[in-house]
Parts: sequence; C-alpha cells; structure tokens
Amino acid sequence: DQQVKQNSPSLSVQEGRISILNCDYTNSMFDYFLWYKKYPAEGPTFLISISSIKDKNEDGRFTVFLNKSAKHLSLHIVPSQPGDSAVYFCAARIYTGTASKLTFGTGTRLQVTL
Amino acid sequence: GAVVSQHPSWVICKSGTSVKIECRSLDFQATTMFWYRQFPKQSLMLMATSNEGSKATYEQGVEKDKFLINHASLTLSTLTVTSAHPEDSSFYICSASPPGSGEKLFFGSGTQLSVL
Repeated sequence: DQQVKQNSPSLSVQEGRISILNCDYTNSMFDYFLWYKKYPAEGPTFLISISSIKDKNEDGRFTVFLNKSAKHLSLHIVPSQPGDSAVYFCAARIYTGTASKLTFGTGTRLQVTL
Repeated sequence: GAVVSQHPSWVICKSGTSVKIECRSLDFQATTMFWYRQFPKQSLMLMATSNEGSKATYEQGVEKDKFLINHASLTLSTLTVTSAHPEDSSFYICSASPPGSGEKLFFGSGTQLSVL
C-alpha cells in the first residue's frame, strides 16, 4: 500500500522556467510533509517542509503548497537552475507519540536543461 | 545543518559473509536513528528504528535476525547484514533527527552493498 505517491517518474524543464513536482498521499494522519533532493549514491538532502495545518511554505526559490482536502502537495522551484537536476522525493511524517516515521514517495527525476 | 556520517560508502562481499555498516551523528546526540534501504529506481523504505540502549524496532517484513542493529551509544548505530545474499544488494542509508530539528531527518551518505 503506497501511502505517498509521486506519479511522474521524470520531468524536464528549461533553465529559468518553473519546475512543479507533485505528490499525493492517502493517510490523513500525516502531520508534516517534506521534500528531499537526492543525487545517485548519496543520501537525501532536506529541502523544505510544511505542516499539515498550513497551505504554503516558501524558502527562497522553493515553495511547497499543500491541498489537504485533495491530499495533494506540490513543490515549485523558480527559477529552475541546472544544479537543481536531481531526484526529488516527497515524504510524509506520522508521529505515533513515541516514534516519528517518514514515508517516502518513489521520486521524480528532474532535469533542468540549458 | 546536522551531520550524519555513514561508513563505508560502498562494499562488495561474497555471498554468505556478514557486513557491518556504521552510522554516526557527528555534532549531536541521537537517541533514535533510522535505517532505510533503497533498491534501484524505487523509494526509500524504512527498515528499522534504532533506539539507544534498547532493542531496535523493525518494520513489517524485515528480518531482525538478518539485519542486526546495535545502538550502543548516543552517536553510533550499526547495521550488520548477516549471511548476505545477492538479493540483499541495495543502497542502505541511515538517518537521525537532532533535538530541536522537529520533523526534519538528516541522512548519511549511504552505503552501496553489492553481494556477489
């Protein structure tokens, strides 16, 4: 049961344009959503997060939008840069009271072209 | 940001041998660390939660006798893949959350295990 889904395995965007990466989830108990960037053979790097009680969070070129009714979130990168080319993972956190667990999506490979 | 160090970065071993992977929190104490596994082109799957001074909590479907976890100090957790087989070949990543960092997890650089 894939509770966090990224339906687009890949995305190609021209430098300077906006990149929009999407993520859907099914578990209404998730309280935080996070985006990570990952290069091959490296661990994921935290990018930005959003609480389930908010609908937008912005940090520089990165903005995350949360639509709780649709159980959907998106990461916007603007303007996109060649260095943004990587695999982006959406993750959702559930806190059980004693433990905090992240569930990851399958990732979207972003390629920013010149 | 917080630094999580993982060693080795890659390891090749013969089938039937055991491999130990170390995960260290370099600038903070971690009572809890997490071990993930990623197969090619797939998601990161949580294998187990490592708890300092107590037994690890394993996710459903993960064999605790095969993947031994030891969290003997507040800065070190180890994952030992016992009697490794080719199907254990994968990318193993540890993570931890420093106190006060809230929902954020910081990841090590990962270990690519190849079992021949």
